[in-house]
Amino acid sequence: QAVLTQPSSLSASPGASASLTCTLRSGINVGTYRIYWYQQKPGSPPQYLLRYNSDSDKQQGSGVPSRFSGSKDASANAGILLISGLQSEDEADYYCMIWHSSAWVFGGGTKLTVL
Amino acid sequence: EVQLVESGGGLVQPGGSLRLSCAASGFTFSTYYMTWVRQAPGKGLEWVANIRQDGSHRNYVDSVKGRFTISRDNTKNSLYLQMNSLRAEDTAVYYCARDEGGSLTEWGRGTLVTVSS
Repeated sequence: QAVLTQPSSLSASPGASASLTCTLRSGINVGTYRIYWYQQKPGSPPQYLLRYNSDSDKQQGSGVPSRFSGSKDASANAGILLISGLQSEDEADYYCMIWHSSAWVFGGGTKLTVL
Repeated sequence: EVQLVESGGGLVQPGGSLRLSCAASGFTFSTYYMTWVRQAPGKGLEWVANIRQDGSHRNYVDSVKGRFTISRDNTKNSLYLQMNSLRAEDTAVYYCARDEGGSLTEWGRGTLVTVSS
């Protein structure tokens, strides 16, 4: 079982909100990890969005709009990237990442379609 | 302006070697961890290795341990990845990134490594 699992795709309408999940493998407690989120558009390198551990330990990437935010769902053992007020330019691949067993581990990524 | 420019990619036969370079500018290179991340064609991101500011500590993904070596030269503002015993599954775009404790805040545009006979 992968360390981090993300749904392969998600669709949402312009102006709506999208909640992208990053589920940690059973036995790995989301409460003890900082979750990092990246956005990648076709043909471009990834861009850092934000880091979320708790409301008192979070960081927004430079220039990243506040409509991108992070949270956790302890009951689902998952990190969440919430994008509100979806715009066409938000269509991209999104990756989560954690530090686990002395290595950075990426999730498989979610392709977000805005239509 | 922060810039990271990778070079050294290309076509190499299985079992061969390549050395990637990443030239950094626009920031104080010696004060940051640096990281290599790769992306196979049409696939997701995979972290490869990182290195402490002074080069004294390095971490690797299991699949490259013993084959790849990350290094840096702070006098040249450069990061390197020596890749030996290359396999087809190492085929990917390799990105270097400035590492602020997991916040990979700056990325290069990548260099393509193709391992094929």
